[in-house]
Amino acid sequence: ETGVTQSPTHLIKTRGQQVTLRCSSQSGHNTVSWYQQALGQGPQFIFQYYREEENGRGNFPPRFSGLQFPNYSSELNVNALELDDSALYLCASSLTPDNEQFFGPGTRLTVL
Amino acid sequence: AQSVTQLGSHVSVSEGALVLLRCNYSSSVPPYLFWYVQYPNQGLQLLLKYTSAATLVKGINGFEAEFKKSETSFHLTKPSAHMSDAAEYFCAVKSNFGNEKLTFGTGTRLTIIP
Repeated sequence: ETGVTQSPTHLIKTRGQQVTLRCSSQSGHNTVSWYQQALGQGPQFIFQYYREEENGRGNFPPRFSGLQFPNYSSELNVNALELDDSALYLCASSLTPDNEQFFGPGTRLTVL
Repeated sequence: AQSVTQLGSHVSVSEGALVLLRCNYSSSVPPYLFWYVQYPNQGLQLLLKYTSAATLVKGINGFEAEFKKSETSFHLTKPSAHMSDAAEYFCAVKSNFGNEKLTFGTGTRLTIIP
């Protein structure tokens, strides 16, 4: 059984651009959650998807959006990038919203 | 609303000494509490969790934590530190019902002195 994987590992964008980050959940996991971890901070919950529907959202603006696909993959899209969006983005998958979350290694996004 | 506070952003202990990482929580309902570890350039790994069963919870790598409702604390301990324990540790809280998600503390960086 493979773990949670994320791509790319690192990414550099400029202010105003758009970015798509990808996550592949563990097989059979119907739930994926995305977190933003700024330097020196704990992860902050962005949103969760369960069976391809949004199932809760943190305090992030609408320019943060997501998709979950039937093949256990998911995307985090960020439009109109700002300097403060620079962070490590983590995805975590779980069997259901109430089960243990398994985290991927993250994508480090730098916005210049 | 729920939150966790981790006292001490950096903790240094000698190899073989006791590890104590502090976490206090705030929750209006009975909480679930977690400790995660993050090694450099890696994601988070669950060390242990409290879900309203036994108040003393044993986790992986020799770590344990005790839920103390009267003190609203969930401190993480390990009797004897090992060099491989050097990492960032995060305490997190989640409501035990409803649709609330994990709320993390700001983390404690643990350094082991040889």
